[in-house]
Amino acid sequence: ELKVEQNPLFLSMQEGKNYTIYCNYSTTSDRLYWYRQDPGKSLESLFVLLSNGAVKQEGRLMASLDTKARLSTLHITAAVHDLSATYFCAVERSNFGNEKLTFGTGTRLTIIP
Amino acid sequence: DVKVTQSSRYLVKRTGEKVFLECVQDMDHENMFWYRQDPGLGLRLIYFSYDVKMKEKGDIPEGYSVSREKKERFSLILESASTNQTSMYLCATNRGLPYEQYFGPGTRLTVT
Repeated sequence: ELKVEQNPLFLSMQEGKNYTIYCNYSTTSDRLYWYRQDPGKSLESLFVLLSNGAVKQEGRLMASLDTKARLSTLHITAAVHDLSATYFCAVERSNFGNEKLTFGTGTRLTIIP
Repeated sequence: DVKVTQSSRYLVKRTGEKVFLECVQDMDHENMFWYRQDPGLGLRLIYFSYDVKMKEKGDIPEGYSVSREKKERFSLILESASTNQTSMYLCATNRGLPYEQYFGPGTRLTVT
């Protein structure tokens, strides 16, 4: 059974600082997805990582995937208040075209002025 | 842009009632999903449908059923609502590779 763990679960950081959220998963998978959820809202797709070594960047967020280590990171550079949200990673359940995803429990990020 | 809509944002029902949650998508996607989201547990898959009238149980199907009579519409049914089904319910769709899912706004269901 695929397990997806995120850490930290809660992160409070000051504006302007850098930090990294980690997503570890337990079985082989080549594709990983990052989502953002604002309070009371639904999930919004951030990044789609489709192969080992994939790196995607959007503004102050950068995501990477190491399938050998079964690890993805979401790096935040010079945090701003607008980035306060809960971030989820999700991993495909197999490499054989299975459409189902397993989600991590989420990292609640709070940016303090 | 993919549009996924859910019939209600907030719903309050009594224990034992039959509850219908509806999800509609406008992008002709094959796959549709129902999740529930609870604090500390992330998103858990209830049911999945890969075509009209085709469905597959997810990780926590007990107490739920689904219906997909048309491609664009996927309904989640709570046959007899219980208080432990109080949760946020999220519908999602995808079109195939990559398997990025697009989510509806969610329905917060309270069962009293």
